[in-house]
Amino acid sequence: SQQGEEDPQALSIQEGENATMNCSYKTSINNLQWYRQNSGRGLVHLILIRSNEREKHSGRLRVTLDTSKKSSSLLITASRAADTASYFCATDNGGFQKLVFGTGTRLLVSP
Amino acid sequence: DGGITQSPKYLFRKEGQNVTLSCEQNLNHDAMYWYRQDPGQGLRLIYYSQIVNDFQKGDIAEGYSVSREKKESFPLTVTSAQKNPTAFYLCASAVLAKNIQYFGAGTRLSVL
Repeated sequence: SQQGEEDPQALSIQEGENATMNCSYKTSINNLQWYRQNSGRGLVHLILIRSNEREKHSGRLRVTLDTSKKSSSLLITASRAADTASYFCATDNGGFQKLVFGTGTRLLVSP
Repeated sequence: DGGITQSPKYLFRKEGQNVTLSCEQNLNHDAMYWYRQDPGQGLRLIYYSQIVNDFQKGDIAEGYSVSREKKESFPLTVTSAQKNPTAFYLCASAVLAKNIQYFGAGTRLSVL
């Protein structure tokens, strides 16, 4: 039951620009996470935001959560070529200790 | 180094053959998971386990089997009943009551 949908599916920007990707989900959640996947590799956890939080920062990452719209956004500021990867949102409504992952946004940052 | 080790990195299956993917973790995590990822897609849950000797089916368990005889190990067998096994398989683990999952580097399975 894949419920997170991410938008856009692919994003291409230049180094130094900001990248914004969005995630929508369908049911109530306790928290939402963002993960990063480099090509052909496993996922790496980036940030977790709880349902009672509206915004969270971690380095160049800013995550917002709007539970009324059932949506979240991930902003990467001052992008670098090394940020090139796929980014997935994941929600915890799949049941205890289960996550439901979105379809991902492929980000390409060109030097 | 603490982490999750998946092996092999690449695996080829002949028709009618069962193959087993290994997943070992030394993070002392109780929960472990197997996901399947198809090209350009998100992750779909195959099986998960929250405790030794217990596991539950995920969304796409048909054609797969698992065991959890040790806390550190959660092998996945892709059986001959799985007619479309070509995919990237990811193993993950997590601390119970904490929702953050840690992933291995994956096994890419192809059919000969």
